[in-house]
Amino acid sequence: ETGVTQSPTHLIKTRGQQVTLRCSSQSGHNTVSWYQQALGQGPQFIFQYYREEENGRGNFPPRFSGLQFPNYSSELNVNALELDDSALYLCASSPRGGGERNYGYTFGSGTRLTVV
Amino acid sequence: QQQVKQSPQSLIVQKGGISIINCAYENTAFDYFPWYQQFPGKGPALLIAIRPDVSEKKEGRFTISFNKSAKQFSLHIMDSQPGDSATYFCAASMGGSYIPTFGRGTSLIVHP
Repeated sequence: ETGVTQSPTHLIKTRGQQVTLRCSSQSGHNTVSWYQQALGQGPQFIFQYYREEENGRGNFPPRFSGLQFPNYSSELNVNALELDDSALYLCASSPRGGGERNYGYTFGSGTRLTVV
Repeated sequence: QQQVKQSPQSLIVQKGGISIINCAYENTAFDYFPWYQQFPGKGPALLIAIRPDVSEKKEGRFTISFNKSAKQFSLHIMDSQPGDSATYFCAASMGGSYIPTFGRGTSLIVHP
């Protein structure tokens, strides 16, 4: 059973540019969530995708957008990058429903984005 | 508005000691309370979780204590080991959304 994989692991972008981060969900998981984790902070929910549709969104502007594909993998796109977007971006997959343990997310190791 | 408040921000414990991390929540609609462990360079990993219909849950050296009336819950790590050194996050979620809201984290260092 493979876990959640994210690419790239590190990325440096210039302010104003656009970036795409990728995530492959764990086998058997059909829901993908994205989080932003600033240094020294807890993960902040960006949005969740289920059946290729956005299924919930946190307090992030529209320049943060996403996609989910039929194989349940997902992309996070950020337009017009700002310096404050520098953070660790985490992808988490989970199955819908199931027992208590299934409520838990499986996180990837993240993409470290630096905006200069 | 921070919906899940976590303390302390950092904690240093000697090997064999008890580590205690506390969290408080505001939204009474939360019905699932997981704890995550994060090592440097890794994503958070689910450690243990509890529902509000029980006051305590134990898995090995890790115990969650839950006080529904006070809207507080805590993680106790018994016989703390240097390998437990990590950042711990409490979280809370509502039934149906499965979307956890995280606390700000506690950096735990266990000295050998």
